[in-house]
Amino acid sequence: GEDVEQSLFLSVREGDSSVINCTYTDSSSTYLYWYKQEPGAGLQLLTYIFSNMDMKQDQRLTVLLNKKDKHLSLRIADTQTGDSAIYFCAELNQAGTALIFGKGTTLSVSS
Amino acid sequence: EAGVTQFPSHSVIEKGQTVTLRCDPISGHDNLYWYRRVMGKEIKFLLHFVKESKQDESGMPNNRFLAERTGGTYSTLKVQPAELEDSGVYFCASSHPGSGNTIYFGEGSWLTVV
Repeated sequence: GEDVEQSLFLSVREGDSSVINCTYTDSSSTYLYWYKQEPGAGLQLLTYIFSNMDMKQDQRLTVLLNKKDKHLSLRIADTQTGDSAIYFCAELNQAGTALIFGKGTTLSVSS
Repeated sequence: EAGVTQFPSHSVIEKGQTVTLRCDPISGHDNLYWYRRVMGKEIKFLLHFVKESKQDESGMPNNRFLAERTGGTYSTLKVQPAELEDSGVYFCASSHPGSGNTIYFGEGSWLTVV
């Protein structure tokens, strides 16, 4: 079945780069997403990538997609304390009707 | 433009009671989704509306959950009777067909069943 895996925790120092990794199982996924959840808040869409792309950059965020290995990563440059949150990777299911989420990676940024 | 709004933001009810969660999608979004995250688990899909029609309700856990979207605008999710394991965050999301599948989520309704 469809499944998305992420490491649960990542700790970085302010100013460093953060890389959050995700693997997924459904090779037919057309879209892959990164969402951010700050404490007590909802899910904020950070970025998404279409499956025919290898990379997408948006300001401090870089998404890399390796379709062969079914690996997705989110790089945050110059990580700030305000980036501390849970980051969820998600793929769109085969039917295109639902997102399959990973368990989320908790990013902790220390000053 | 207003985002996806959900009500109530927090609710504490006793086991056996009924709770109704409401979601107002982004105006013009035909697709409306319900998801939930129970403690320590993944965010799980519950169901998907296209306008007023249920497109996919494969994620609904059991018949204590009833979702409606009369008129194709706002949606409600009723839990009756609520059980302890229903505690968690219920997210609503919406998207517009042809938008590149950008799916926007609300702030969530945090439900605690005691």
